[in-house]
Amino acid sequence: ILNVEQSPQSLHVQEGDSTNFTCSFPSSNFYALHWYRWETAKSPEALFVMTLNGDEKKKGRISATLNTKEGYSYLYIKGSQPEDSATYLCASNNNDMRFGAGTRLTVKP
Amino acid sequence: DSGVTQTPKHLITATGQRVTLRCSPRSGDLSVYWYQQSLDQGLQFLIQYYNGEERAKGNILERFSAQQFPDLHSELNLSSLELGDSALYFCASSSPGRQLYGYTFGSGTRLTVV
Repeated sequence: ILNVEQSPQSLHVQEGDSTNFTCSFPSSNFYALHWYRWETAKSPEALFVMTLNGDEKKKGRISATLNTKEGYSYLYIKGSQPEDSATYLCASNNNDMRFGAGTRLTVKP
Repeated sequence: DSGVTQTPKHLITATGQRVTLRCSPRSGDLSVYWYQQSLDQGLQFLIQYYNGEERAKGNILERFSAQQFPDLHSELNLSSLELGDSALYFCASSSPGRQLYGYTFGSGTRLTVV
């Protein structure tokens, strides 16, 4: 994988549903994997930075895992709320920082 | 306020023109990164400066150039503008000791070329 790829492109869930999405990144020259939360009309906000294979990070209802050997990371949101609606970006820091296209999450009340 | 300041917030200009976007990094950050986000595309890395020197180059067109000044602020110059250059341009900053905390983004400059 030469680029950072995220799936799905968009996701619509009901309030209370748990959800997850995927980030695939190049595993060579890997330094760190970043997750950002990006709300419309605001700048991306850092959620997690992970560096080690097997890393797991958690912030409230949001958690992330990292597999550097196979080059993927999962972001999980437990019990989604309308305020979780945003675009979730991942970025892989190899020789430079490359962003995926994001997963646009919409949580319906 | 993230600490990264971008000006102007909005810019409308005609095709063929030249514009300059400005970014002041977070206090203490030495690196400045420029990104472009257009239509449904993700953030595209353009260029990075570290302490005044170009560090990395991404998908930056030859019509675009950037520099970082001694006071660490950076400018992105876009010339011979085309309709397709309409996008949101973000600046982000970091420093070696804070790289693991991720980048701090500015609020962006929305460029509309008409």
